[in-house]
Amino acid sequence: DTEVTQTPKHLVMGMTNKKSLKCEQHMGHRAMYWYKQKAKKPPELMFVYSYEKLSINESVPSRFSPECPNSSLLNLHLHALQPEDSALYLCASSQEVSGQETQYFGPGTRLLVL
Amino acid sequence: SQQGEEDPQALSIQEGENATMNCSYKTSINNLQWYRQNSGRGLVHLILIRSNEREKHSGRLRVTLDTSKKSSSLLITASRAADTASYFCATAVKAAGNKLTFGGGTRVLVKP
Repeated sequence: DTEVTQTPKHLVMGMTNKKSLKCEQHMGHRAMYWYKQKAKKPPELMFVYSYEKLSINESVPSRFSPECPNSSLLNLHLHALQPEDSALYLCASSQEVSGQETQYFGPGTRLLVL
Repeated sequence: SQQGEEDPQALSIQEGENATMNCSYKTSINNLQWYRQNSGRGLVHLILIRSNEREKHSGRLRVTLDTSKKSSSLLITASRAADTASYFCATAVKAAGNKLTFGGGTRVLVKP
């Protein structure tokens, strides 16, 4: 199974809402990632988890809160977002974070903040 | 600024033609990877070339890497309509914790 799944596929939320994005992989990967991608732009790294510990936070605003409950799951909790946070949020995983591995991406959650 | 810059930004070709896109980067890398993204969907890994490799093939794909020029190219031969997608190069830099940094991407349209 080389699949990374993400739920929901689409999400519309108001600026006062609290919501969560979920990501799951069953490949035994120990590194998981959140990326943000705006239209016609490349993915931008937000967070990296290695062995369930946060290893990289790319100075992401605190209204985005990642969580790694176990080695297969990665969540992104959203609170008090701004309209400019509307984007495609991609989750990815890899064996480890040695830089020599392929990253496997999920299909993404398309988020619209009103 | 981005580690990788891609050229051209967009490419339109007829089915059966070859498509070539280039990626330039700024710092020493562990490896360079190419990914494809169909409209608004997740990225699919195409090929990884290590810093000590110069050329790699996978099916209709050919990737070159010139570390002296800090550049890479992706060639898709005998293109098909299904190759229509955005193509991104991504570099892994040890000094940056081995995170991947993506280039701006090349949008390829293959017309049937």
